[in-house]
Amino acid sequence: QKEVEQNSGPLSVPEGAIASLNCTYSDRVSQSFFWYRQYSGKSPELIMSIYSNGDKEDGRFTAQLNKASQYVSLLIRDSQPSDSATYLCAVSGNAGNMLTFGGGTRLMVKP
Amino acid sequence: DTEVTQTPKHLVMGMTNKKSLKCEQHMGHRAMYWYKQKAKKPPELMFVYSYEKLSINESVPSRFSPECPNSSLLNLHLHALQPEDSALYLCASSQEPRYQETQYFGPGTRLLVL
Repeated sequence: QKEVEQNSGPLSVPEGAIASLNCTYSDRVSQSFFWYRQYSGKSPELIMSIYSNGDKEDGRFTAQLNKASQYVSLLIRDSQPSDSATYLCAVSGNAGNMLTFGGGTRLMVKP
Repeated sequence: DTEVTQTPKHLVMGMTNKKSLKCEQHMGHRAMYWYKQKAKKPPELMFVYSYEKLSINESVPSRFSPECPNSSLLNLHLHALQPEDSALYLCASSQEPRYQETQYFGPGTRLLVL
């Protein structure tokens, strides 16, 4: 059984702070890792994808991957109230194009 | 452009009704997906179509019947649903049916079964 684990939160950070979201996965052959943002009542939208160990930056977002530790994280710098949403970690691997989602972390950014 | 469209946005149906959900993409993607999402839960994969052929069926009850008429369209036919089937139904697509490919989601159809 492939598992992707996230702290459900809520994670509360003040505006302008760094939000750190974490995800662990159980399947060692996982190859691709995605972070989606989902606002209440809306569909998931892609924030970042990462495939190799290390950091990947895109604007205020940085994804970090450590395959040895089976750990992927998302850092949001200069957090804004508009970043308040549920962040879903998703993993896929050699089983093809099946995404396994974590339960999501609810982020609240307070003005 | 990474747009996936879904109709209808909302659907209310009785347990004896037959209805269909529609999904469309014009990005030339060759893989399309149906997910079901209950409140405060992550999306759960239902079906995967690769090159217009059903490649994955995650043991979904037969009251859900997918159809892929062409490379741009994906339907989900609903019949004799139960109240517990009420959920947000999400369609997604990706360039190719490979693990490296990003899946792009449509806005979803919110289904209520009475």
